[in-house]
Order: sequence, then structure tokens, then C-alpha cells
Amino acid sequence: DTEVTQTPKHLVMGMTNKKSLKCEQHMGHRAMYWYKQKAKKPPELMFVYSYEKLSINESVPSRFSPECPNSSLLNLHLHALQPEDSALYLCASSHGGYSYEQYFGPGTRLTVT
Amino acid sequence: AQKVTQAQTEISVVEKEDVTLDCVYETRDTTYYLFWYKQPPSGELVFLIRRNSFDEQNEISGRYSWNFQKSTSSFNFTITASQVVDSAVYFCALSEAQFGNEKLTFGTGTRLTIIP
Repeated sequence: DTEVTQTPKHLVMGMTNKKSLKCEQHMGHRAMYWYKQKAKKPPELMFVYSYEKLSINESVPSRFSPECPNSSLLNLHLHALQPEDSALYLCASSHGGYSYEQYFGPGTRLTVT
Repeated sequence: AQKVTQAQTEISVVEKEDVTLDCVYETRDTTYYLFWYKQPPSGELVFLIRRNSFDEQNEISGRYSWNFQKSTSSFNFTITASQVVDSAVYFCALSEAQFGNEKLTFGTGTRLTIIP
């Protein structure tokens, strides 16, 4: 089973709202990732968790707050977003390190109004 | 610094034609991995293949084949007898062998449209 699930599929939020994106994998992977993808662009890495600890933060604004409650779950908490944050947010997981492929979820399409 | 170039922004071919997607990479490392991903309109990136820098054997999987040439720093992807379901954006990606490195460097992608 190479499935990564993400909820919700679509999210519309105002600039003053607080919302969370959720991601889950049951492949025993030790690394989990958040990416942001704008239209017609490749995914941009935001955060990496390795063994439930934040290992990479690509200078992401603090209005995005990641959380890894356990090895299977990854959340992205959103607060006071800007319209330019509207994008497809992809979660991925892998065995970790440079040599393993990442498996992606279907994404959450976020619109900030 | 590592870089991946996919010079073909968009390609359209008629169904059943063969099509090759180009990928050229730059890296100073001797150990690295190359990947191809498919992103259909639904949005999910689907892993297609992983290749390490020490394995230059070409690979075939059904209608898909990959040609890895270190001499030209290329990792091209060919779809034989294309089908409408092959319509998607295809990304080539690179990761370098650095301790703690979890990053993939993606190319800009090639949008492939198969015309029925």
C-alpha cells in the first residue's frame, strides 16, 4: 500500500481564519514532507519531518505551522494567510534520506479570500 | 548547486505516437538519484522511477522506458504508443547524496497532451 491521504480536498478560508490540513500515511515511512505548488510550477518544499522531528524548514512564514503528532500523521496549521498563499498543498512521505522516492498525497487545494 | 532542466514546456502528440520527454541535470556530486513523477489533472504526483548515478542501464516498464546517460547528464523518458491516459505534467527530479539531505530538486515540468 503506497497511499498517502490528505484532508480536506478543498478549503476556502478568509484571511482571519485558522484552519488545519491533515496528512496520514501507513507505510512505516520515517520522513514526511509538506510542499506548496502554484499553478504551472513544480512543488516547492516547505517542511520536512524526520522521526517526528522537524528537520528542514525552508524559511516558511510563521503563519504556516507544521506539527507531527506521531509517525503516521502530519498537520499543517494555517493562520492569518494571505491571498498569495492560495495553492495546492501536497503532503509526501518516504523512508527518508536522498535515495528514496517520495510518495505524494492527492493534495489540498487552498483558496484564501 | 544542483539543477534540473526540462526544456520542453508543452508537447502534444496524436494517440499511439511515441514521445520522448527530455531531462538534463547538473550536479557536482558523484552520487545522486534521479526520479520521474507524473502529475495528472487530479493533482497527485505519482512516482514512476528512481535511478542512482551508478546504474546506467536503461529501464523498460510496459510502454515506458528511460534512458540514462551520464556523459550528457540526461535522463530521458519515452512513452511508446501513447494513450490519452498519459496526458499529464511530468516532472524530472534530482537528489544529491548529502548527509541529512531530504530535498528533491524538481525540473519545471513538461505538460504532455495526447490527442485522441
